[in-house]
Amino acid sequence: SAVISQKPSRDICQRGTSLTIQCQVDSQVTMMFWYRQQPGQSLTLIATANQGSEATYESGFVIDKFPISRPNLTFSTLTVSNMSPEDSSIYLCSASRQGAGYGYTFGSGTRLTVV
Amino acid sequence: QQQVKQSPQSLIVQKGGISIINCAYENTAFDYFPWYQQFPGKGPALLIAIRPDVSEKKEGRFTISFNKSAKQFSLHIMDSQPGDSATYFCAALRGNTPLVFGKGTRLSVIA
Repeated sequence: SAVISQKPSRDICQRGTSLTIQCQVDSQVTMMFWYRQQPGQSLTLIATANQGSEATYESGFVIDKFPISRPNLTFSTLTVSNMSPEDSSIYLCSASRQGAGYGYTFGSGTRLTVV
Repeated sequence: QQQVKQSPQSLIVQKGGISIINCAYENTAFDYFPWYQQFPGKGPALLIAIRPDVSEKKEGRFTISFNKSAKQFSLHIMDSQPGDSATYFCAALRGNTPLVFGKGTRLSVIA
């Protein structure tokens, strides 16, 4: 399975600012996803990061708020824009190689606190 | 609509006992059913997975039982240890779609 490095691991940000989270995979992967996880809760899919094209967002998530880039097959970024305290959460990157028995793996997450 | 329903929400098991977590799904097109283990401050880690053409898969102390007709699958942890204390998520997917997660089960194994 792919190994994912995600950074920053945590951050405390002022409301109204933006934070960009980076996700680096140690090998080329087909699929990359971004999730949000409130403490003690399950994972909610934000979007699928598509290489070379616009991300596919889930209901309730919009590009203006969560712009995503995926310039190549090993790297993606998620930006949380114009943050409010409601954006405080854990953000997780996930990746999978098609045809490799799935093996969806996750980064360790970014714990974001907005004050 | 929740596509994967997981129970119980929390579970306390004595050391050496069997932990059982259950999941039910709606979409018969799902073709892959993984279980993830998550420790505090860490991302979910793939524990074990099964495909619908198999009724049971065992890896060490961890076993998945799969009942296709009932659209249910379960995780059994034999000889549960305090180190197994974590949150467990069942999930399902179809093809190259994103994982659909259950709500999670917080397992506590007490000595």
